Amino acid sequence: DQQVKQNSPSLSVQEGRISILNCDYTNSMFDYFLWYKKYPAEGPTFLISISSIKDKNEDGRFTVFLNKSAKHLSLHIVPSQPGDSAVYFCAAHPFGNEKLTFGTGTRLTIIP
Amino acid sequence: DAGVIQSPRHEVTEMGQEVTLRCKPISGHNSLFWYRQTMMRGLELLIYFNNNVPIDDSGMPEDRFSAKMPNASFSTLKIQPSEPRDSAVYFCASSFSGSVYEQYFGPGTRLTVT
Repeated sequence: DQQVKQNSPSLSVQEGRISILNCDYTNSMFDYFLWYKKYPAEGPTFLISISSIKDKNEDGRFTVFLNKSAKHLSLHIVPSQPGDSAVYFCAAHPFGNEKLTFGTGTRLTIIP
Repeated sequence: DAGVIQSPRHEVTEMGQEVTLRCKPISGHNSLFWYRQTMMRGLELLIYFNNNVPIDDSGMPEDRFSAKMPNASFSTLKIQPSEPRDSAVYFCASSFSGSVYEQYFGPGTRLTVT
């Protein structure tokens, strides 16, 4: 049972344009959502997060949007840079439970 | 400040051998997680500890896998006996479970069982 789904295994975007990565979840108990970025041969690194009481969180070029009614979140990267090429995972956990459930990841390639 | 440290980075072993993976969490973090990443199943949680106590081991595949956390600065994941299907990248992560649960990952151990 895949509770966190990233339906696009890969995405290619031109440098300077906007990258939009999507994530859907099924568990209504999820309360906190995170995005991680992973380069080859490295561990995932935390990128940005959002609580269920918000619908948007920004950090520099990165913005995460949460639509609770649709059980959908997205990560926007503007403008996209070559260094953004990586695999992006979304993850979620219920309130008070630190057990993260990860999606399967989306490989983002930024084309110079 | 050092991040999560894992050793070895690469391990190649023969089927039937015992494998021990090691992890040193970030100082001050009180939760530790072991994950396995494979092409088929993605990133899956095997077990996690809070204050050195195992909280959830429901992801441990079978009795061949065991994990310990004897103190706040060290944890091991052991596979005995190892099988080819255990080949994967194993990550350790740590966090401070005081507020939001952002986990910090180590570089991983790539295990190959032949």
